[in-house]
Amino acid sequence: QLLLQESGPRLVKPSETLSLTCTVSGGSISSSRYYWAWIRQPPGKGLEWIGSIYYSGSTSYNPSLESRVTISVDTSKNQFSLKLTSVTAADTAVYHCARFGRGRWSFDYWGQGTLVTVSS
Amino acid sequence: QSVLTQPPSVSAAPGQRVTISCSGSSSNIGNNYVSWYQQLPGTAPKLLIYENDKRPSGIPDRFSGSKSDTSATLAITGLQTGDEADYYCGTWDISLSAGRVFGTGTKVSVL
Repeated sequence: QLLLQESGPRLVKPSETLSLTCTVSGGSISSSRYYWAWIRQPPGKGLEWIGSIYYSGSTSYNPSLESRVTISVDTSKNQFSLKLTSVTAADTAVYHCARFGRGRWSFDYWGQGTLVTVSS
Repeated sequence: QSVLTQPPSVSAAPGQRVTISCSGSSSNIGNNYVSWYQQLPGTAPKLLIYENDKRPSGIPDRFSGSKSDTSATLAITGLQTGDEADYYCGTWDISLSAGRVFGTGTKVSVL
């Protein structure tokens, strides 16, 4: 059974950098069949794709966040990470990591999500 | 603001059928596969439908998906109280550097 688990600080100050890591267990992040993604959900609102990464390190980002986002992968640890710079209160959200299958063309496994609050 | 539009809410009595629409354009739904996700309160989204109309193993056949032109539809038959949740459609948009996009979300209520 594939499991994805987000970890990182739950409280970030305005203007600082939000950093999260997703640890994948029960499967290899180095599979050519999948992309790995970050998706967020502000309280009471809908889903927003932040960006995705392939095991090779190739990335794609939401154009609305691209100037502030970096997603990286560490295949030796079976992890991928998110950095979002210059955060504001609008970045307060539940952040999910997820797997995107190239065969099913959908997000088929999700982490439970972690609420990150931006506040001084 | 999402490029995929869904009704904010739909409701029906137990045992009835509901449909949820997802309206897009030729740059997203019109030329790409659509998937559907169910988000029960306080939980992560769960894949219900992929490639427009396929169900992952373990998803009951009460859930079905379809696509026509630039719109997609999720149907739930034999509605159960456990189906009360938020539902999202998803695809990708070639006008947004092939970025993934989600619908605005629909709350299903069982009366």
